[in-house]
Formats: sequence, C-alpha cells, structure tokens
Amino acid sequence: AAGVIQSPRHLIKEKRETATLKCYPIPRHDTVYWYQQGPGQDPQFLISFYEKMQSDKGSIPDRFSAQQFSDYHSELNMSSLELGDSALYFCASFRHSSRLSDTEAFFGQGTRLTVV
Amino acid sequence: GDSVTQMEGPVTLSEEAFLTINCTYTATGYPSLFWYVQYPGEGLQLLLKATKADDKGSNKGFEATYRKETTSFHLEKGSVQVSDSAVYFCALSLIKAAGNKLTFGGGTRVLVKP
Repeated sequence: AAGVIQSPRHLIKEKRETATLKCYPIPRHDTVYWYQQGPGQDPQFLISFYEKMQSDKGSIPDRFSAQQFSDYHSELNMSSLELGDSALYFCASFRHSSRLSDTEAFFGQGTRLTVV
Repeated sequence: GDSVTQMEGPVTLSEEAFLTINCTYTATGYPSLFWYVQYPGEGLQLLLKATKADDKGSNKGFEATYRKETTSFHLEKGSVQVSDSAVYFCALSLIKAAGNKLTFGGGTRVLVKP
C-alpha cells in the first residue's frame, strides 16, 4: 500500500541558506500536518493544510512558509536557516472523513535537516 | 482547547516487566484515540487505536482501552522486551469542518534493559 513519501530523506545546508522539504500524502488524503522534532525532543506542530488551505498553525517561525498544491502534496520552505533548525521534519496525512474509523493519521519517515 | 497529557519519562524497565503509560485527554468533541511509537531514528508508526468508548485497541502485546468516563487511554504491556525501547505518543483526532485535527501528548521515552 502507498505510504506518505517525504523528500529528501536527508539534507545538509549551511546557515542562511534555504531549504524546501516535500511531502506526498497517501492518495485521496486531503489533510497534511507538518512537525519539527529536534534531537531528543517531542514533535512540535508547525502547520497543517486541508483541501489546499491552511487549517491550523503552530509554532512555525516566520522564516518558514508552506503550502499544499492541487495534487495535495505539500512543501515546507525554510529560509535564512539557523543552526537550531537542525531537526527531523515529518509530515502526516489523513483523509477528512465523518467516519471515526477513518481518522487515523499516517506519517512519513521524515526529512533529517542538518544546518552547518 | 483539545489536549493530551501523558506521563513523563523516561521510564526504565527490566525485560519482562509490566509497562503502563498513562494518558488522559480533554476534547471538545468525541475523539478517536491513538498510540504512536517512534523507534530510534525513525518516524512515527501507529501502534493501536480506538474510535469509541470502551473500545480496546491492541497490537504487538500492547493494549489500551478508551475510557470516556475518565477521559483516559492508558497503554499497557504485560511483558516488555528490549525491542520495545522507544518513545510512545498518545494522540487524539477530532473530526472538524476544516479537516481532522490531530493533537499529540508530550511523548514518553521507554528504555527496556536486558
């Protein structure tokens, strides 16, 4: 079965550079969540999208932006990278449904970003 | 607002010991409840879920029962193995008009020693 695909899996950038992370949800899933997980930290919610519109916003820095495209994939754009942005970034996808049995979120393997 | 509270770790156990991780929630609606597990260096994986009161989710020897009266979803395993060392996250999902909303607890790190 198709899973959530994130690319790239690993990324090394220098300070002040930009990075773009991509998330491809499971087919027919219309909701994407982005999380940031620092070393030894719990996942921190960044932002979410439903039907290509931002649905919720968490602790996403102003230097970051994201969007969901017409094919439902999402991209997280990160500019002016700082050392503290080094983390595992993962996305979750699910399908908006009124059925309780359909409310499970599926997670990608994540993109490990290292800022040097 | 919606929130999930789980016991803080780390929890250190010996192999074959009994594991309990407490999880309680507050929600504005009728949530589905989940336990996700994150093994070292990996992403989150669904461990088990329950979608209505008194449902019991189970997988890999882990169990959790949806208790609406106590708003809890405690995770238990009768005999842990070294391979169960991971971080466990309790989560809830609510159906909203603007897409399902997913809320995580803070995670509990479990270390099982041989």
